[in-house]
Amino acid sequence: QKEVEQDPGPLSVPEGAIVSLNCTYSNSAFQYFMWYRQYSRKGPELLMYTYSSGNKEDGRFTAQVDKSSKYISLFIRDSQPSDSATYLCAMSLNYGGSQGNLIFGKGTKLSVKP
Amino acid sequence: NAGVTQTPKFQVLKTGQSMTLQCAQDMNHNSMYWYRQDPGMGLRLIYYSASEGTTDKGEVPNGYNVSRLNKREFSLRLESAAPSQTSVYFCASRGLAGGEQFFGPGTRLTVL
Repeated sequence: QKEVEQDPGPLSVPEGAIVSLNCTYSNSAFQYFMWYRQYSRKGPELLMYTYSSGNKEDGRFTAQVDKSSKYISLFIRDSQPSDSATYLCAMSLNYGGSQGNLIFGKGTKLSVKP
Repeated sequence: NAGVTQTPKFQVLKTGQSMTLQCAQDMNHNSMYWYRQDPGMGLRLIYYSASEGTTDKGEVPNGYNVSRLNKREFSLRLESAAPSQTSVYFCASRGLAGGEQFFGPGTRLTVL
């Protein structure tokens, strides 16, 4: 079993839809959870960063962490064509040293159609 | 403030050739990373440097060497390139304060 599992998609939705992206993980010691967005032929950029359990909201984006289920989600409201990208989940044990190394999911490719 | 820069952007090598990928960051970050990204495999850590003067192997270090030249620069060397090293290579850096890694634009390497 991989440490972090993420459905690769592709996922295609109409503009304005609510998008739900998810990752599951096996190591209950993970504490830091991130979502990166990667546009085609670009480097990943951080979208959301959450410590431990709970929700975090930033504009149209909401990140949820459920540590009891070892499950994290990213919701995109009112999706736009500019949201079309690959979304990578990532997590780490801690923020320092080798425990700060990120373990990435394989990414979900999202396409938002006008 | 350029963030993380990588050179070259593209490279084509023949099997057995060597090359060095360069990475530099101007954010005064302590930690730097090299990843490769392959279709269906996600981002995999090759080597990392937690601080200037230290380097450690990641998940897929075979066939690569690294040098942390100074706090700003972290290079990745392929001594004898193989077709299996065809990939997109990303450099990243991270400061002390948080877990976020900042990524460079990537180097697309093809080994024939």
